[in-house]
Amino acid sequence: AQSVTQLGSHVSVSEGALVLLRCNYSSSVPPYLFWYVQYPNQGLQLLLKYTSAATLVKGINGFEAEFKKSETSFHLTKPSAHMSDAAEYFCAVSDTGTASKLTFGTGTRLQVTL
Amino acid sequence: NAGVTQTPKFQVLKTGQSMTLQCAQDMNHNSMYWYRQDPGMGLRLIYYSASEGTTDKGEVPNGYNVSRLNKREFSLRLESAAPSQTSVYFCASSEKMAGRQETQYFGPGTRLLVL
Repeated sequence: AQSVTQLGSHVSVSEGALVLLRCNYSSSVPPYLFWYVQYPNQGLQLLLKYTSAATLVKGINGFEAEFKKSETSFHLTKPSAHMSDAAEYFCAVSDTGTASKLTFGTGTRLQVTL
Repeated sequence: NAGVTQTPKFQVLKTGQSMTLQCAQDMNHNSMYWYRQDPGMGLRLIYYSASEGTTDKGEVPNGYNVSRLNKREFSLRLESAAPSQTSVYFCASSEKMAGRQETQYFGPGTRLLVL
């Protein structure tokens, strides 16, 4: 069974600082990996996805993630945090069957302080 | 395009009452999903429908039923609500295309409180 683990349920950074949100996956086959963002009282919005085309994936709002097979990781980064980045972030791995069911991590809430 | 829409946005039920959560998508997607979101647990899949006319159980199907009414609509029914079903429910849809990994698009959610 596929799974993802997000280290740190809460992360706090200063505005302008590096954002690093950690995600490790477990999969018996090459995975499809996703990062979603959820702003307060809203649904989930896709930030980026890894589909084996390139190990460094760039997403929206200046976020990127690097797939490292040797470390089974897909950490999310942003060089400089902005107040508007405060949200909850979910890492997910996809089933590769007929319908690509997602298995989500437990989420990391990012706080950005002045 | 509205994307994925869900109704109602918020609902309060008493234990034992029934209700149906509605979901519709206008992206002509084949696959649709229902998730529940609980604090500290991420999103968990309740049921999914790979295509019109098919439904399958996900990780936490107990206490729920679903209907794929047509390609656009996928409803979730609670026959006898329990306090443990207090949660935020999200519907999503996706389309599998040759050579491309499908992306799931989410609705805004339904907040359900069962007293």
